[in-house]
Order: sequence, then structure tokens, then C-alpha cells
Amino acid sequence: EVQLQQSGPELRRPGSSVKLSCKASGYSITDYLMHWVKHRPEHGLEWIGWIDPEDGETKYAQKFQSKATLTADTSSNTAYMQLSSLTSEDTATYFCARHTTGLDYWGQGVMVTVSS
Amino acid sequence: DIQMTQSPSLLSASVGDRVTLSCKASQNIYKYLNWYQQKLGEAPKLLIYYTNSLQTGIPSRFSGSGSGTDFTLTISSLQPEDVATYYCYQYNSGPWTFGGGTKLELK
Repeated sequence: EVQLQQSGPELRRPGSSVKLSCKASGYSITDYLMHWVKHRPEHGLEWIGWIDPEDGETKYAQKFQSKATLTADTSSNTAYMQLSSLTSEDTATYFCARHTTGLDYWGQGVMVTVSS
Repeated sequence: DIQMTQSPSLLSASVGDRVTLSCKASQNIYKYLNWYQQKLGEAPKLLIYYTNSLQTGIPSRFSGSGSGTDFTLTISSLQPEDVATYYCYQYNSGPWTFGGGTKLELK
């Protein structure tokens, strides 16, 4: 059974950074791209970017180019997203999702709260 | 970037109604369009992929149609558990983009 297990909620100060994890089971992460998506209820879903865990190639949406850094560790079958220079605008739930025919399997999401 | 526009943003309907949600792309995306259902506090769930293919385990009351720039999600007979926000999503070309969502509520 395919599962994506994300790390727990995070509370950070403005200006700091956070690294989120997404551990895959039931398949090898090198077989498919891994995407990350941001959700704020008042803004809907925003596509952040993807990583090809097989070779580390990444692609980002323009607005997240300087905000997010995607990496993957094939030995632990885990994908990561680091968010830097956090502001209140980064307060959101972040999802990882596997891409086959679009995004088929999703992690449960991780809530990041940025507050002083 | 390809813009995805969903309408209406809010839809009220009764149990048993046939419901139609619209999604328009700012340029041709062929059939690379998915529909997702997101309930409060949950991850989005894939309903329809490649415009009209029903994801495994999704009830047959959900269907999708369209091509090019105009797409539709239809629920043939609305059920109480269908209350959610629905998003379209294009994966024809990067950056991949979501529509703004249609919030479906019971009348």
C-alpha cells in the first residue's frame, strides 16, 4: 500500500527556516516525481514544485524559487522541503504528493505556523 | 503560466441534485486535467484524472468531461458526503497550476 507520511506540526519565528519530511512506503521514490503543495483556506491550493528523486532535478513555481528547496534521500525513501526566511505568509499546511497521472497519493499534510 | 479559473466559487445544492462544476484554462491543456476533492482538515483526494478517467475507489456518480480549455466535473446525484471544496489541476506544462476551487455546500 502506497503511503506518504509527513512530519509533525511546526512552530517557527519569523526569519527562521524549517525542513519538512515526507517518507514514502509501498514504492520507491525514485520511480516517480514528488511534488509539494501549499494550502491556505483563503487562498486554496498552490503548487510549489517537484523533485525527481532519481537524479535530484527540481522545478519550482516562480514565487517559491527563493523560498523552497526540495531534496530527497533515496536511502531512506524520503523527500524533504526546506522553507527559508519564514514570514506570516508561510503559515499554511504543506502537502507532498506523488505524481503519476497527476498527483495521485498525498501525504496527510503538515501545519507550519510562523509567529513571534 | 497557465491560469485555471473555476466557477462558481460557491455552489449550494440539495441531496439528489445533478451538480456541474466548471474549470477553464487560459490556454490549451489538451486533456491533462485532474479533479480533486478536499474536505476540511484533510488532504486533497484524486477523483478524476486525464479529464475523464475515474480514479479507483471513487463512486461512479462522479464524472469528468472536456478538452482543450473547457472542462466539467459532474456529480450525477449529490450525496451529503460530497460537501467539500473541489479543485481542478492542470499538468500539461509547468508550472503546474490549480484552479481557485468551488466550495460545494448543501442547500
